[in-house]
Amino acid sequence: DAGVTQSPTHLIKTRGQQVTLRCSPKSGHDTVSWYQQALGQGPQFIFQYYEEEERQRGNFPDRFSGHQFPNYSSELNVNALLLGDSALYLCASRGLAGNEQFFGPGTRLTVL
Amino acid sequence: GNSVTQMEGPVTLSEEAFLTINCTYTATGYPSLFWYVQYPGEGLQLLLKATKADDKGSNKGFEATYRKETTSFHLEKGSVQVSDSAVYFCALSDLNQGAQKLVFGQGTRLTINP
Repeated sequence: DAGVTQSPTHLIKTRGQQVTLRCSPKSGHDTVSWYQQALGQGPQFIFQYYEEEERQRGNFPDRFSGHQFPNYSSELNVNALLLGDSALYLCASRGLAGNEQFFGPGTRLTVL
Repeated sequence: GNSVTQMEGPVTLSEEAFLTINCTYTATGYPSLFWYVQYPGEGLQLLLKATKADDKGSNKGFEATYRKETTSFHLEKGSVQVSDSAVYFCALSDLNQGAQKLVFGQGTRLTINP
């Protein structure tokens, strides 16, 4: 049983560019959350998707957007990249019955 | 809003030493509490959890007890190993508008020397 998978592993972009990160949840999970982890910090909640809709959003600007597909996989899009967007982006999935979130290995985004 | 405060690191111990990493929280209601561990270059792994007051979570020799009266969830291990070197995050679940998000502390880096 594959756990949560994310792609790509690493990504380098320049300021002003746009980026798309991808996540496949653990088998049987229908809820996907995205977190941003800056270097030396704890993860910060970006948003959560359930039934292809954004259910809750953290304190992130509209440059951060997402999508969930019918197969429960998800994308995180970031427009107009800033240097401060450099971070590890973590995806987590959860099943309907549980309160435990399972994390993927993350995508390391570097903005130059 | 809800928040988690962790003991600042880094923490350096010798192998077989006793470990305590302090964690306190501020929350409305009765959140579930978690400890996650992050090894170098990896994502987060759930170490243990507790869902209500006085519950004790345990895994791989680590323990933490949900203390409502002191709003704490301190992580302990009786005898640490070099392989325990990692960053440890305390977190609570924040259930709002039907969505459950995790609120994390800033993390504590633990290094165990042989």
